[in-house]
Amino acid sequence: EPEVTQTPSHQVTQMGQEVILRCVPISNHLYFYWYRQILGQKVEFLVSFYNNEISEKSEIFDDQFSVERPDGSNFTLKIRSTKLEDSAMYFCASSEETSGNNEQFFGPGTRLTVL
Amino acid sequence: GDSVTQMEGPVTLSEEAFLTINCTYTATGYPSLFWYVQYPGEGLQLLLKATKADDKGSNKGFEATYRKETTSFHLEKGSVQVSDSAVYFCARITGGSYIPTFGRGTSLIVHP
Repeated sequence: EPEVTQTPSHQVTQMGQEVILRCVPISNHLYFYWYRQILGQKVEFLVSFYNNEISEKSEIFDDQFSVERPDGSNFTLKIRSTKLEDSAMYFCASSEETSGNNEQFFGPGTRLTVL
Repeated sequence: GDSVTQMEGPVTLSEEAFLTINCTYTATGYPSLFWYVQYPGEGLQLLLKATKADDKGSNKGFEATYRKETTSFHLEKGSVQVSDSAVYFCARITGGSYIPTFGRGTSLIVHP
């Protein structure tokens, strides 16, 4: 069964460093998403991406964040200069469509720890 | 503002016990409601959903009924198994959007 994969599973970095989180969405999906969950808090939407453009983003997704689809399979989230409060679990998801009833398929997440 | 509230965990049960995980929501209009499950080391998976009032979503022995009058979507299972141990997330999508708003998740631990 196709699945969304994410690498690495755990990333530890120093404050101020750049990190790139990687995701491989399901191959025939066209819509891609990033979410994060700070420990003990809600899963929060960051950004959605379609046709090589950001289609929607939340207030959390500021200038420190960027997304890219560098090739036909990967979808990346870059944080330019990490802060302590960026420590969280980051989930990638993909879907065939963007209707409210359309299922998003999630990856297992990358745990980011900023020291 | 609009939100999803779940009971705090962990919920610890013995095998074959009855499970209820409470979820309430606030929203204008008529949202679609979802339960996702995350097994250890895996991504969130859609468990069940309901798109209108009084609908009952069901899957793998789990059920949840969309109760508009109480703005609730409680997850239930009559007899849990050790393999049900996971984190369960309640979520809602309001009309015109495709982005789910999640609750904090409730960890379920089932002992043999």
